[in-house]
Amino acid sequence: DAGVIQSPRHEVTEMGQEVTLRCKPISGHNSLFWYRQTMMRGLELLIYFNNNVPIDDSGMPEDRFSAKMPNASFSTLKIQPSEPRDSAVYFCASSLGTSPTDTQYFGPGTRLTVL
Amino acid sequence: KQEVTQIPAALSVPEGENLVLNCSFTDSAIYNLQWFRQDPGKGLTSLLLIQSSQREQTSGRLNASLDKSSGRSTLYIAASQPGDSATYLCAVRFIGNEKLTFGTGTRLTIIP
Repeated sequence: DAGVIQSPRHEVTEMGQEVTLRCKPISGHNSLFWYRQTMMRGLELLIYFNNNVPIDDSGMPEDRFSAKMPNASFSTLKIQPSEPRDSAVYFCASSLGTSPTDTQYFGPGTRLTVL
Repeated sequence: KQEVTQIPAALSVPEGENLVLNCSFTDSAIYNLQWFRQDPGKGLTSLLLIQSSQREQTSGRLNASLDKSSGRSTLYIAASQPGDSATYLCAVRFIGNEKLTFGTGTRLTIIP
């Protein structure tokens, strides 16, 4: 299995531009998580999906952030408009489900820089 | 508030030594605790998962312990190697919460 796939690996954009991050979970996994990692706040959960349905988006910072999962093999995280404070590494993770015994498998992350 | 803390933030150890990384959490009502490794520019790799009913888990040179009552976990690395250099994160799944709550990690450097 190729693991969780994220694209792009690096993104540099200017303030105000729209940014779209993409994730392909491990085949057969029913749960997908989007995290953001910064030096100041560490690793934070933004939103997670179960069976393509958003379950908890309480970690999404504000309305500029939106996430979709149109099917079991693809998810996007969109920031519109982007701001310099959005600069961070964004990770996608997937797991079989949300049971306490299910391990989350992380993708390599997308390093976003907003100028 | 449910929080996870890792101290120290950074640790340097000569190669070959045994070492212990620490993780503490504020609420003893947990499903499980997980240790991850993160290499620079890479994602997180799960090392060990300890369920709340377990006291420890072992994988090769790694041993993780869990003491729920005191809100602590340790990751013991035996006979450290330069390849062990990475950031180690601990994450807790608190009861009533489907999220993982992460500590800020300990950056470990093994000196050849």
